[in-house]
Amino acid sequence: GAVVSQHPSWVICKSGTSVKIECRSLDFQATTMFWYRQFPKQSLMLMATSNEGSKATYEQGVEKDKFLINHASLTLSTLTVTSAHPEDSSFYICSASPPGHATGKQYFGPGTRLTVT
Amino acid sequence: GENVEQHPSTLSVQEGDSAVIKCTYSDSASNYFPWYKQELGKGPQLIIDIRSNVGEKKDQRIAVTLNKTAKHFSLHITETQPEDSAVYFCAASRSGGSNYKLTFGKGTLLTVNP
Repeated sequence: GAVVSQHPSWVICKSGTSVKIECRSLDFQATTMFWYRQFPKQSLMLMATSNEGSKATYEQGVEKDKFLINHASLTLSTLTVTSAHPEDSSFYICSASPPGHATGKQYFGPGTRLTVT
Repeated sequence: GENVEQHPSTLSVQEGDSAVIKCTYSDSASNYFPWYKQELGKGPQLIIDIRSNVGEKKDQRIAVTLNKTAKHFSLHITETQPEDSAVYFCAASRSGGSNYKLTFGKGTLLTVNP
């Protein structure tokens, strides 16, 4: 149980284009999903918290107009990197909290490797 | 906000030995402490977690201990195997209410030598 998927697993795009990453909770409903980015040999950095049916909450320093988050259903959240640049190349990982979010438990997806050329 | 320190940053052990990774946290209100294992190119996998009302939790070869007074918690892996080699992250959060973001340590690269 508690499986989270991401699509695509990797993507290469040209500078200036937009890329959408999907995060799905496969066997549970997630009222809250989280988006992280991770640079090589570093820890996970929280970008934003995504709540179903409401606007995402972004961490300080994360541009909300550049990283668009949509949590359209209890099993799907999407992250769109707009006007991507080489410095946006990173490993993007989502996580989802099962019902009863007061537990704090988060299950992570397998990640999406984004390379911007 | 919460700050989590993790040590050591790298740890190399022989197969069959034990491995211990330690974390300290700053926010006394934190009450949920998960440990994640991340293999190269993959997402983190929750391996064990503990809540502040418990001092120790075990799951086969893995155990976590929590000292609330000292604000530190540790991961213990016994009888290590080469497949335990990975990066391990500790984290802390205040579960309940709306503030339950995880704050992660910087990770420990564990290498188990056959």
